[in-house]
Amino acid sequence: SQTIHQWPATLVQPVGSPLSLECTVEGTSNPNLYWYRQAAGRGLQLLFYSIGIGQISSEVPQNLSASRPQDRQFILSSKKLLLSDSGFYLCAWSKGVWAFFGQGTRLTVV
Amino acid sequence: DQQVKQNSPSLSVQEGRISILNCDYTNSMFDYFLWYKKYPAEGPTFLISISSIKDKNEDGRFTVFLNKSAKHLSLHIVPSQPGDSAVYFCAASVQYGGATNKLIFGTGTLLAVQP
Repeated sequence: SQTIHQWPATLVQPVGSPLSLECTVEGTSNPNLYWYRQAAGRGLQLLFYSIGIGQISSEVPQNLSASRPQDRQFILSSKKLLLSDSGFYLCAWSKGVWAFFGQGTRLTVV
Repeated sequence: DQQVKQNSPSLSVQEGRISILNCDYTNSMFDYFLWYKKYPAEGPTFLISISSIKDKNEDGRFTVFLNKSAKHLSLHIVPSQPGDSAVYFCAASVQYGGATNKLIFGTGTLLAVQP
């Protein structure tokens, strides 16, 4: 069966520090991968999606970037965090209509 | 531009009664609609979906209705249970570049089922 791992679960980072969140999927090959963010009181906003290694599409202009160095690995990064980057970040995978989510990372920028 | 809207941020229902969660959309190109359930500090879990060519899909206590002319869908939970208390997200799927679909989510509705 397929599983998705996302870490860390919680992160507190100072403004201006870098960020690296990692997501890996097991039990499937060549999945579509996604990063979503849920800001306080908001819905789930699609940040990035990837259909293959090295192929990243950005949905919204922002302070973040994404990379897919391996087929089942998706990384969300920032060189310098802003206060507005705080939120709940979710990685997801799909091979069709249905997307399956990781447990999420609660990022607080202080 | 919010393509998927959930206009009720919260809903409170008595245990055993029906919960009705609503969702409106604007894009006629959506080919699937999905409902996800989310507990605090966890990722959303898939609940039920419906194809745009259907008008109803039922799975146990959960039924999703789709009204294409009104661009409206709803999730019915009968009977509601306290364990159903969570945030419910409506999502719409659209084909993107021929090989990918992406999900557009609404802002969610917090359902509280009172014992």
